[in-house]
Amino acid sequence: GAVVSQHPSWVICKSGTSVKIECRSLDFQATTMFWYRQFPKQSLMLMATSNEGSKATYEQGVEKDKFLINHASLTLSTLTVTSAHPEDSSFYICSARPPQGAGEDEQFFGPGTRLTVL
Amino acid sequence: AQSVTQLDSQVPVFEEAPVELRCNYSSSVSVYLFWYVQYPNQGLQLLLKYLSGSTLVESINGFEAEFNKSQTSFHLRKPSVHISDTAEYFCAVRKNSGNTPLVFGKGTRLSVIA
Repeated sequence: GAVVSQHPSWVICKSGTSVKIECRSLDFQATTMFWYRQFPKQSLMLMATSNEGSKATYEQGVEKDKFLINHASLTLSTLTVTSAHPEDSSFYICSARPPQGAGEDEQFFGPGTRLTVL
Repeated sequence: AQSVTQLDSQVPVFEEAPVELRCNYSSSVSVYLFWYVQYPNQGLQLLLKYLSGSTLVESINGFEAEFNKSQTSFHLRKPSVHISDTAEYFCAVRKNSGNTPLVFGKGTRLSVIA
């Protein structure tokens, strides 16, 4: 299957700082990328849908000014957690989908980024 | 909107015993159905999927799931589990049209006991 990478795999930061997480589709072009958040022992909660070249669509309850998403190219999307606080500590997972007609029924997932805010 | 219910949060089972992980979904439109597996400290991997056609789908490592439209279920089964099957299993659904995201259940932790 297709490969999606995330960087970094884990990060520890001080409260009040900003953290950027990168998500890359390595062997396919992803017109759509999704960002999920996973709390311990819980499911993946969709945060936002990101389409290349346009603004992300955020799910209800997700602060768009807090979680900045940029999908600047067909292979790269970034999530920036601004002014991070301990409650932002979580496992962030990105997912990418090929263009429609190119196996668009499947989403490919990155390995996740563990964010710990002290 | 779609939703997924995984009734069992944890399922302990002895090695070589059969297992069934339950998944029910709710949707007013036709859907695709998926099972993903997450091993400790790893990302999600697609285990199997139902898009159309035969309602029984199989994975390469012995798991199978059957789509039951009347019961809105997509239960995952394996006749004989191994220690290496210990993982978190997520059922997911999405509309079968449009560029919509996957909606996940809360997951079932399968623990295989030697």
